[in-house]
Amino acid sequence: RKEVEQDPGPFNVPEGATVAFNCTYSNSASQSFFWYRQDCRKEPKLLMSVYSSGNEDGRFTAQLNRASQYISLLIRDSKLSDSATYLCVVNMWASSNTGKLIFGQGTTLQVKP
Amino acid sequence: EAQVTQNPRYLITVTGKKLTVTCSQNMNHEYMSWYRQDPGLGLRQIYYSMNVEVTDKGDVPEGYKVSRKEKRNFPLILESPSPNQTSLYFCASSPTGASRTQHFGDGTRLSIL
Repeated sequence: RKEVEQDPGPFNVPEGATVAFNCTYSNSASQSFFWYRQDCRKEPKLLMSVYSSGNEDGRFTAQLNRASQYISLLIRDSKLSDSATYLCVVNMWASSNTGKLIFGQGTTLQVKP
Repeated sequence: EAQVTQNPRYLITVTGKKLTVTCSQNMNHEYMSWYRQDPGLGLRQIYYSMNVEVTDKGDVPEGYKVSRKEKRNFPLILESPSPNQTSLYFCASSPTGASRTQHFGDGTRLSIL
C-alpha cells in the first residue's frame, strides 16, 4: 500500500461545479498535511495547509479526518484557472519538524467552459 | 526577490558522465530538499538537509549524493548517471523542517542517454 494515495483522475468538470478530492495516508502518527497545486511542468506551490479543525480559504476547503486517515480538498464554483494537478502531501513522522515529506501522485482537474 | 534557483534547467548527457545540479536559495532557510518527479509515481524525496552539514536520505537516494557546506547551497551530484535517472528534478527549501511551506525551484529536466 502506498504511504499517500490519491485518485489520479482526471476529473473533468464544468465551470461553476463543486469538486472534491480525497487522499488517504498510512501512518497514523503523521502530523502535518498540505495540499499543493502543480501546473503542467511547473513547480508545485502550496495551496493550503490542512488543520485538524478544517480550514477554508476562499473557494477552497480542506478537512482532515484522523480516525479514517484521510484528507479532503473541496473546490467550490470551479474556474478555468483551477485546472491543474493537486498534490496531497504528508509529513509522515511523529515529530512535525523532521525532514521527510511524502507526496501523493496527484489528482488532475480539468475545468471545462 | 525570494527564490530557489536551480541550474541547469535542461540537460541531456550520457551514461557515466558525472554531473551536478546546483540549487541556491536566498531566504536564509535552514531546510533544503531534492525531489524527482516521474509519471505515475509523483514526487519522491531524494535527500534532504535540516541545516548546514546535516543531510539525510529520502526515499530514493541511490545513485545520488548531496552536500550542504553553506546554508544557501544544496547541490545534487550524480557521480555516474544512468538512464533510469532521467527525470524532472525539483529543489525546495523552507525556514525550518518539512512542516513549513516549501518553496520550489523551477525544476531541472535531466535526460541520460
